[in-house]
Amino acid sequence: EAQVTQNPRYLITVTGKKLTVTCSQNMNHEYMSWYRQDPGLGLRQIYYSMNVEVTDKGDVPEGYKVSRKEKRNFPLILESPSPNQTSLYFCASSLGARETQYFGPGTRLLVL
Amino acid sequence: DQQVKQNSPSLSVQEGRISILNCDYTNSMFDYFLWYKKYPAEGPTFLISISSIKDKNEDGRFTVFLNKSAKHLSLHIVPSQPGDSAVYFCAASARWNYGGSQGNLIFGKGTKLSVKP
Repeated sequence: EAQVTQNPRYLITVTGKKLTVTCSQNMNHEYMSWYRQDPGLGLRQIYYSMNVEVTDKGDVPEGYKVSRKEKRNFPLILESPSPNQTSLYFCASSLGARETQYFGPGTRLLVL
Repeated sequence: DQQVKQNSPSLSVQEGRISILNCDYTNSMFDYFLWYKKYPAEGPTFLISISSIKDKNEDGRFTVFLNKSAKHLSLHIVPSQPGDSAVYFCAASARWNYGGSQGNLIFGKGTKLSVKP
């Protein structure tokens, strides 16, 4: 089944404790992206990757890092999480930036 | 500055009637528009899209209309069903490099549709 998977689905952590949210897709998509969804703000892009080893900032990249060492994986790294990063995070993939994006189920993060 | 605006946070419609969700954009370089639907505890799923060379695209009960001069698009759902109750996101994309994020989708804040039986 074609899908985008994210882990963990739910995470509670404390300020400053490094964490990684994994994202994996099995559709051989070149383009992958991370979004955060916050009440009243919709979906905002954090980082995106056009292909392996090619990543770039989206609209709200501060406090986040990403890597794209393999085509299928695109982890989101929070080196020192802060409470303002409490949010619902979505990973997405597509054949290209302008192609239909397929979203993962989301990761709900709470930073205390 | 918000480039894609969905000014109605919520909309309530009776089952069987038409649902009209609106979206406005400010960037004249946008040439591809999409609607995504999101249920609680799930990721958004693609619903329908339209290119700027068209002014209408239809897929079953869903029709998207694009008015380029007004920088406005709308999603019509006819007839509305209770299963259509979800948050609908409008998104737009520009073909050429814009603000360093060529082709990336810019999403609106979403409209929560409730279809009452």
